[in-house]
Amino acid sequence: QKEVEQNSGPLSVPEGAIASLNCTYSDRGSQSFFWYRQYSGKSPELIMSIYSNGDKEDGRFTAQLNKASQYVSLLIRDSQPSDSATYLCADLGGNQFYFGTGTSLTVIP
Amino acid sequence: DVKVTQSSRYLVKRTGEKVFLECVQDMDHENMFWYRQDPGLGLRLIYFSYDVKMKEKGDIPEGYSVSREKKERFSLILESASTNQTSMYLCASSGGPNQPQHFGDGTRLSIL
Repeated sequence: QKEVEQNSGPLSVPEGAIASLNCTYSDRGSQSFFWYRQYSGKSPELIMSIYSNGDKEDGRFTAQLNKASQYVSLLIRDSQPSDSATYLCADLGGNQFYFGTGTSLTVIP
Repeated sequence: DVKVTQSSRYLVKRTGEKVFLECVQDMDHENMFWYRQDPGLGLRLIYFSYDVKMKEKGDIPEGYSVSREKKERFSLILESASTNQTSMYLCASSGGPNQPQHFGDGTRLSIL
């Protein structure tokens, strides 16, 4: 059984700062990872995917993957109050996803 | 854009009732999933399906069944609803290996 661990938070950052969200995974053979954002009372929405070691940037978001250390992170630059949400990390094994329990982020104006 | 549609946003049922939650996707995805989400427990997989008439148990299948008669539709059935099945239910679909899951808006189900 794959395990994905996230610090539940809450994580608070001031507006304009960098928010750093981290995730560790148990299966050394895992290849594909996804970050989802979930606003309160809403369903998860896909932010980014990452498959290779290193960084992947998309606008204000950067996903980082380190397979040797088995962690994935999401950086949010110039954080905005609208980024306040729970962020879910997911490890894709075959066709099945394994989700972390999520990190709650609050961006303070 | 992928569209995953769940039949109800809010649903209230009584203990012992048979409850049907419907999910339809419009992207010809092969894979469909049902989760429940509870505070502090995250997303828990109930059932999933890789193809029509095919189903696999997830982590918490007890008390649930599913049906997939057509590729675009995946139904979750609570055979005899109980209060501990009060939860947010989320349907998702994906196009295959290494493809992300796309979620419906969710059904908040209350069993009284």
